[in-house]
This record gives sequence, structure tokens and C-alpha cells, in this order.
Amino acid sequence: QKEVEQDPGPLSVPEGAIVSLNCTYSNSAFQYFMWYRQYSRKGPELLMYTYSSGNKEDGRFTAQVDKSSKYISLFIRDSQPSDSATYLCAPSNNAGNMLTFGGGTRLMVKP
Amino acid sequence: DSGVTQTPKHLITATGQRVTLRCSPRSGDLSVYWYQQSLDQGLQFLIQYYNGEERAKGNILERFSAQQFPDLHSELNLSSLELGDSALYFCASSGTGAGGNEKLFFGSGTQLSVL
Repeated sequence: QKEVEQDPGPLSVPEGAIVSLNCTYSNSAFQYFMWYRQYSRKGPELLMYTYSSGNKEDGRFTAQVDKSSKYISLFIRDSQPSDSATYLCAPSNNAGNMLTFGGGTRLMVKP
Repeated sequence: DSGVTQTPKHLITATGQRVTLRCSPRSGDLSVYWYQQSLDQGLQFLIQYYNGEERAKGNILERFSAQQFPDLHSELNLSSLELGDSALYFCASSGTGAGGNEKLFFGSGTQLSVL
């Protein structure tokens, strides 16, 4: 079993839809939870970051962490074609910055 | 633009050969990371350097080695290449590499094709 699991998709939605991207992890030591967005043939870029359990909102994006069930979610409201990318969850602990990435979920938002 | 520069963008070579991938971190960043991304394995952490010293090692093969130079640029050396080494290799940098919440900045990657 991988330490961080994501449904690879692709997830195809119409423009304007609410998107839910999910991630599960097994290491209870993870305290920091990040979402990276990766466009085709580009390096990942940090999208959202949360610490411990709870929600964090940034514009159309909301990150949610449930440490009790080891479940991480990223919600995208009013999705746009420019949101089409692969979304990688990356939890980490406080021992350093060796991010453990999920395999990523590929999202396609159709106009 | 993340500020992290990787060269070359593409590399085509044959099995058994040796190649060197180069990375220049963002100005002021002391820590450099190398990741390998393939379709079946996802983004895998290889190795991390901080201010010239190795800080952490991940799933890096013995055929692979890296170093960080005094000017903070880093090189990843891949030798005795096999077909399975074909992948996208990313370099990332961060300020110190000490905190779990530190933001990583990724370069655009080097696409390695081993034929």
C-alpha cells in the first residue's frame, strides 16, 4: 500500500462545476498538507497549504483535512478550463521537507 | 516562472551511458531537491541537499549520485542507464529545507529518454 493514495482520474467536468479531489494517507505523523498543481510538461506549483485538521479557503479553492480518517480534500468552485491540470496532494511531517506526493488526479474542465 | 532553472530540457541517450542533469535554485534558496516522475511511479523523492551537504536521501539508486556546489547549483548524475530510467527529472529549491511547511519551487524538468 502506498503512503499517499489518489484516484488518478481523469476527472472530466463541465465549466462552472464544483470539483472534489481527494487523497488518503497512512502516516499519522503527517502534520502539513499541501496541494500542488501541475500543468502538462511543467513542474508542480504549490496551490494550497494547511496545517493539521480543518479547512482553509483561498478564492475558489478550499482545502480540507480530516486527520482522524487520514483524508484530505481539495474543492474547486466555479471550475474553469484553466484549472485543467494534475493535482498532487503532498503531506509531510515536521522533520523536514521530504514531501511524499500522491500519484495525482488529472482534472479536465470542459468549456 | 519559478526561478529554478534546469538544463537540458530534453536528453536522449542510449542504455549504459552516463548523463548529468543541472539545476540552479532560486536566488537565496539554500536547499535543493531532486525528484523523478514517471507514469507508473508518480513523483518520487530522490535526494536533498542543503548548503552543499546531503540532508536526506529517498529512493535513489546506487547508479545515481548528486552534489551541490559552493555556488548552490546542483547536478544529478545518472550512470549505466537503463530503459526504466526514462522519466521526467525535477529539481526543486526552498529557503532552508528545514520545515515541513516550507514551500518548494520546482523547475520545468529534464525529460530523459533512454533508448
